[in-house]
Amino acid sequence: AQSVTQLGSHVSVSEGALVLLRCNYSSSVPPYLFWYVQYPNQGLQLLLKYTSAATLVKGINGFEAEFKKSETSFHLTKPSAHMSDAAEYFCAVSGEKGKSTFGDGTTLTVKP
Amino acid sequence: ETGVTQSPTHLIKTRGQQVTLRCSSQSGHNTVSWYQQALGQGPQFIFQYYREEENGRGNFPPRFSGLQFPNYSSELNVNALELDDSALYLCASSSGQRSYEQYFGPGTRLTVT
Repeated sequence: AQSVTQLGSHVSVSEGALVLLRCNYSSSVPPYLFWYVQYPNQGLQLLLKYTSAATLVKGINGFEAEFKKSETSFHLTKPSAHMSDAAEYFCAVSGEKGKSTFGDGTTLTVKP
Repeated sequence: ETGVTQSPTHLIKTRGQQVTLRCSSQSGHNTVSWYQQALGQGPQFIFQYYREEENGRGNFPPRFSGLQFPNYSSELNVNALELDDSALYLCASSSGQRSYEQYFGPGTRLTVT
């Protein structure tokens, strides 16, 4: 079985501040982990992925995430938030044949 | 290279009716996955098709069915619609049997009244 827990359904930061979105996972097989972003009325866009190579993964738009096996975590960070980062963010795990499991999402608000 | 496209964009149906949603995969991709995203929730895996065969299914009843065509486009069919079927239906395409890197379409917003 596999599952994803995103801690904090809403995160609010000031423009220029650090962004930290938390994700913990469980998987019965070595996981592949993903972060997606979703803007209103749009589909999901892949931000970054972990596929058992480097544990620190860099993605688009200045985001990065670190895979920590001991903590079963894959938190998403960005050093300096921009207004355009305001969106819904989803963490997902893929380890079982043909199936990706998503968390419930975190809404990021960026205050000017 | 064209991305994943879905049709229609929006759809309103009545409880008990049937609906067909369509998805064209990204060029070069032979795998299509379907997800249901209810309001305020993450996408839930419905099923995946790889080379025209079902390659995994989530916890959805049999009234959710699908097809994949030789050009790798796909359809999602839902029979006997219920109010709880109202959601954004997302299609994602990828290359290969495991969904390591999926590219999502914009979705079809289904409203059941």
